Amino acid sequence: GENVEQHPSTLSVQEGDSAVIKCTYSDSASNYFPWYKQELGKGPQLIIDIRSNVGEKKDQRIAVTLNKTAKHFSLHITETQPEDSAVYFCAASYTTGNQFYFGTGTSLTVIP
Amino acid sequence: DTEVTQTPKHLVMGMTNKKSLKCEQHMGHRAMYWYKQKAKKPPELMFVYSYEKLSINESVPSRFSPECPNSSLLNLHLHALQPEDSALYLCASSQVSRGHQPQHFGDGTRLSIL
Repeated sequence: GENVEQHPSTLSVQEGDSAVIKCTYSDSASNYFPWYKQELGKGPQLIIDIRSNVGEKKDQRIAVTLNKTAKHFSLHITETQPEDSAVYFCAASYTTGNQFYFGTGTSLTVIP
Repeated sequence: DTEVTQTPKHLVMGMTNKKSLKCEQHMGHRAMYWYKQKAKKPPELMFVYSYEKLSINESVPSRFSPECPNSSLLNLHLHALQPEDSALYLCASSQVSRGHQPQHFGDGTRLSIL
């Protein structure tokens, strides 16, 4: 089955700096990669996703890049703000499957 | 606010009690999921319903019993739970149960077993 690794497990950045979280996957059949943000006391919220026919996707301060050859994808958050502090999970899945394989999570702290 | 609503938000129960968790979505999604999440861990898939039929049961103990009365509702019936079952229980939904569809999560039910 698919195995998703996520690094780092914790990340602290100063407000206004950029944050990068990286994930690798093992199954070359995986073709859908969502990112979730989970705030304390809340459920995971989808913040951005990318499909394997695209190399990069941006949404305001958030971007995701995908390298299919190396089987890794990354989340980039620019101009970080304190409200970006949360746990972030990456995931991988494939079209004919029906479940997500989650990474282990990254706890991001943005220091004001 | 999420579009997947879970009730109750918190639940404390003894090991001999019977209780139910409820989940509702009105996005017209035909796939619904139950996950269990322990602190500082990713969600673990428990059950998948596709078009109101159970399609995945990830070897979950029988003390957890899912039910999908219609395409908008998902229940999880609990009976004779153990202390290690204390966790956040998340419900999610997607358009269909295919891996390329985003899943939308509720805020979960925080369950504590005494």
